[in-house]
Amino acid sequence: EAQVTQNPRYLITVTGKKLTVTCSQNMNHEYMSWYRQDPGLGLRQIYYSMNVEVTDKGDVPEGYKVSRKEKRNFPLILESPSPNQTSLYFCASSFTGSYKSYEQYFGPGTRLTVT
Amino acid sequence: AQTVTQSQPEMSVQEAETVTLSCTYDTSESDYYLFWYKQPPSRQMILVIRQEAYKQQNATENRFSVNFQKAAKSFSLKISDSQLGDAAMYFCAYNTGNQFYFGTGTSLTVIP
Repeated sequence: EAQVTQNPRYLITVTGKKLTVTCSQNMNHEYMSWYRQDPGLGLRQIYYSMNVEVTDKGDVPEGYKVSRKEKRNFPLILESPSPNQTSLYFCASSFTGSYKSYEQYFGPGTRLTVT
Repeated sequence: AQTVTQSQPEMSVQEAETVTLSCTYDTSESDYYLFWYKQPPSRQMILVIRQEAYKQQNATENRFSVNFQKAAKSFSLKISDSQLGDAAMYFCAYNTGNQFYFGTGTSLTVIP
């Protein structure tokens, strides 16, 4: 089954404790991306990756890191989480192509609470 | 800056009726894609419909269609014969090849 998986689905942590949210896709997609969703703000892009070893900042990258060592995986790292990073996080992936289709497939979301 | 505006935070529609959700965007690009995504209470993001900017013909997917006005930078979603399962948050999104920009969403209620 074609899918994007994220782990964990729910996470409660404390300020300053490093954490990683994993994202994996089995569709051989080149493009992968992370978003955060906050009430009244919609989805905002954190980082995206056009392919292996190619990552770039989205609109809200501060406080986050990513890496793309393998095509299927795109982990999101919070080195020192703070309460303002409490949010719902989505990973997404898609093909890229000459027509820039970018029809994204989303993971189920990770609800992160930082106390 | 690229922006996507959804001016209707909440909308409601009677079952079997038609509703239109509005979306405007700001860009200086000529080549881009526009999307409508649905987010039901399960929080899963589901693609509803996609429109390529270079195509003049409006996209349709069963009961869902768009009114794409490129000059006005407008991209509205029409839902015909509304069903209870259409109740959800709807997000308009814009992509120019790298970054994605989403609107703040419209919460649609379907009244039986």
